[in-house]
Amino acid sequence: NAGVTQTPKFQVLKTGQSMTLQCAQDMNHEYMSWYRQDPGMGLRLIHYSVGAGITDQGEVPNGYNVSRSTTEDFPLRLLSAAPSQTSVYFCASSYYRTGTGEQYFGPGTRLTVT
Amino acid sequence: RKEVEQDPGPFNVPEGATVAFNCTYSNSASQSFFWYRQDCRKEPKLLMSVYSSGNEDGRFTAQLNRASQYISLLIRDSKLSDSATYLCVVLHNGGNYGGSQGNLIFGKGTKLSVKP
Repeated sequence: NAGVTQTPKFQVLKTGQSMTLQCAQDMNHEYMSWYRQDPGMGLRLIHYSVGAGITDQGEVPNGYNVSRSTTEDFPLRLLSAAPSQTSVYFCASSYYRTGTGEQYFGPGTRLTVT
Repeated sequence: RKEVEQDPGPFNVPEGATVAFNCTYSNSASQSFFWYRQDCRKEPKLLMSVYSSGNEDGRFTAQLNRASQYISLLIRDSKLSDSATYLCVVLHNGGNYGGSQGNLIFGKGTKLSVKP
């Protein structure tokens, strides 16, 4: 199994550009989520999904959209990039959102918005 | 008050030392607790779950005090490879979607550096 994969690993955007961060998992996990990690802030939940067709907002959803058309994929869209969205983005998945709490993280995408 | 608070460190210790990390959480309804480990520029990985009775995994011991809303992690006989940031994580079990219900809440992490 590849686990959780994310692309791209690095990205530089100009203010106002849009892009999609890709996330895929091959473990048949129902629960998938997106976090951002900023220095001194810890990991913060952006959006999450408990299954195909079901998404919901986390702690910091503004400026981001998600969709979940399949169990495997959970892309994160930045609608109009802002410098405040410069961060490291992690995608994670697990068997069940209120289960063991063992979430499997992807390697992250380092995004810089200039 | 932040939901999950940790001492940011860094903790600089020699090899072989015993080091303890503490964490407090604010939501008394929290049901599940974990320690994750994050190496520099890598993704977080589950280190161990924390149970009410306390639990041990080799050199690592985790304790939970529900009355004080306090979680701890003890590392004995520190190794160079233990150098990392340790994240205290709380799961708010709940039936509703949205916000923090049913999702993991991460502390900011405590950085450990083990020196030769």
